[in-house]
Amino acid sequence: DAGVIQSPRHEVTEMGQEVTLRCKPISGHDYLFWYRQTMMRGLELLIYFNNNVPIDDSGMPEDRFSAKMPNASFSTLKIQPSEPRDSAVYFCASSFRQGGTDTQYFGPGTRLTVL
Amino acid sequence: AQSVAQPEDQVNVAEGNPLTVKCTYSVSGNPYLFWYVQYPNRGLQFLLKYITGDNLVKGSYGFEAEFNKSQTSFHLKKPSALVSDSALYFCAVRAVEYGNKLVFGAGTILRVKS
Repeated sequence: DAGVIQSPRHEVTEMGQEVTLRCKPISGHDYLFWYRQTMMRGLELLIYFNNNVPIDDSGMPEDRFSAKMPNASFSTLKIQPSEPRDSAVYFCASSFRQGGTDTQYFGPGTRLTVL
Repeated sequence: AQSVAQPEDQVNVAEGNPLTVKCTYSVSGNPYLFWYVQYPNRGLQFLLKYITGDNLVKGSYGFEAEFNKSQTSFHLKKPSALVSDSALYFCAVRAVEYGNKLVFGAGTILRVKS
């Protein structure tokens, strides 16, 4: 298996622009997670899906952030409009929850820089 | 109290020496505990987990961790460190009281010097 795939790996954009991050989970996994990593705040869970349905979006910073999972093999995280404080590394992870012992597998991340 | 704490920002060890990266947790009930490693410019990579059973858990790359319920700790260990073990290590806990979400510690930088 190719593992979790994220694109783009790097994104540089200007303040106010729309940014879309993409994730392809591991085939057969039923949970998908979006995280953000910064020096100041560490690793934060933004939102997670189960069987393509958003379960908990309490970590989404504000309305500028939205996430979708139209099917089992694709998810997007969108920021509109982007701000410099959104600069971070965004990770997607997926897991197969069996008996509550699931292990999350992370993608390589997207490094976002908002100028 | 923090749900999971990694008290050391950085651990330095000489190659060939044993290493320990500390983790303590603060949850009620029976937690699931995990260790992940992150190499520069890479995603987090799963090392090992404790769910139930034997308190000593063995994982990837020769790492192991010991679950200690009385001390609420889950320290990561390796008998002989390699320079290539240098990375950022995260402890994480999953518990019902956190909505069964994975809660990560702040991370510990491990530097192994030759």
